[in-house]
Amino acid sequence: DIQMTQSPSSLSASVGDRVTITCRARQTISTFLNWYQQKPGRAPKLLIFAASSLQNGVPSRFSGGGSGTDFTLTISSLQPEDFATYYCQQSWRSPWTFGQGTKVEIK
Amino acid sequence: EVQLVESGGGLVKPGGSLRLSCAASGLTFSTYTMNWVRQAPGKGLEWVSYITSNSDYIGYADSVKGRFTVSRDNSRNSLYLQMNSLRAEDTAVYYCARESSGRSGYNDYTWFDPWGQGTLVTVSS
Repeated sequence: DIQMTQSPSSLSASVGDRVTITCRARQTISTFLNWYQQKPGRAPKLLIFAASSLQNGVPSRFSGGGSGTDFTLTISSLQPEDFATYYCQQSWRSPWTFGQGTKVEIK
Repeated sequence: EVQLVESGGGLVKPGGSLRLSCAASGLTFSTYTMNWVRQAPGKGLEWVSYITSNSDYIGYADSVKGRFTVSRDNSRNSLYLQMNSLRAEDTAVYYCARESSGRSGYNDYTWFDPWGQGTLVTVSS
């Protein structure tokens, strides 16, 4: 199985801050990497697929990058509705695996 | 609008069985691979199973292999997960998710979108 590791596990930030979350794959996965946002009590929501492609309807303050083993999710200016937990997921090889999540909290 | 609605969750004793359903609408269900993903209370996401559009290919996580069976009925736009020999560690919210795909360059990418709202399975005596 391909292990995915996110860092940090949690962070505190203020509205307007630039936030970057990192996801590392244990082996190369090219750009087969997706990002999801999950709010408490809600289902995950797709933000970015194929490492850097923004899903329709997702605000442009979200961006993704990276290839191979190292990937990033960046929120350019954190908004109140962005406080949530974020997960990366590899789609290179089954079984599909997720990172452990990064909780973004209000400072 | 695509909608996925899970049902069938509940409280079951260790060793018991439960069958989850996922009703799909707003999409041509028969053309999509579907997945089950679970989330234990306070924990992260764990992929459980997939089934291709006409049930030709099926896959399971090692943690459920031999105990869970995924199936679908395209005439009813429905996905199922039969869960047997349940354990405490199977306690989780179970989500169904459509596997969407797209091509970029030479690559065919896949991702989970959308997800249902989830159904809670609690395994406890």
